[in-house]
Amino acid sequence: DTAVSQTPKYLVTQMGNDKSIKCEQNLGHDTMYWYKQDSKKFLKIMFSYNNKELIINETVPNRFSPKSPDKAHLNLHINSLELGDSAVYFCASSQGGGAQPQHFGDGTRLSIL
Amino acid sequence: AQRVTQPEKLLSVFKGAPVELKCNYSYSGSPELFWYVQYSRQRLQLLLRHISRESIKGFTADLNKGETSFHLKKPFAQEEDSAMYYCALRNTGGFKTIFGAGTRLFVKA
Repeated sequence: DTAVSQTPKYLVTQMGNDKSIKCEQNLGHDTMYWYKQDSKKFLKIMFSYNNKELIINETVPNRFSPKSPDKAHLNLHINSLELGDSAVYFCASSQGGGAQPQHFGDGTRLSIL
Repeated sequence: AQRVTQPEKLLSVFKGAPVELKCNYSYSGSPELFWYVQYSRQRLQLLLRHISRESIKGFTADLNKGETSFHLKKPFAQEEDSAMYYCALRNTGGFKTIFGAGTRLFVKA
């Protein structure tokens, strides 16, 4: 199936731990994104890579570090997890920007104990 | 500043009734506007975009630059339309997408 896939779907961990979320797309897109959806369902962009180059880096704590080993993958590593990091994280991809739509993954629900 | 406002958090209508989900935006240039939908237990997906001027699942949206609005409309709501709807804005040629807070549509039988 052609899609954007994220792993894991659920992540439950303790404060202070370091964790990673992986994202892969097989749509042949050149741009990938990470979004955070808070408890009120508000969706906010965190990062975007275009052809492996970081093009969007919103006001996000530097505990969050994206990595794009190639155009098909964009991983998110989070250090020293805090309670406020609990959210659903969505990966997305698109072919370019502008009017091109984004294709989203299923999301990763991160819960910090 | 770029902003997308969806004034209704929850909209409840009866099956067969018309539905309008409001979206207003604030943007100084020429925006690209989208509606995304998230059905229960499914991923967020594109419903329609203003550039396509198409009707998807009976929904239409017209960009009104004078009123800076991009309201989503359907003349006869169906139960399967129940979902979370997000209006989104992107600058022409840009990559950053600003999402509204979302409106949960509930269509009652």
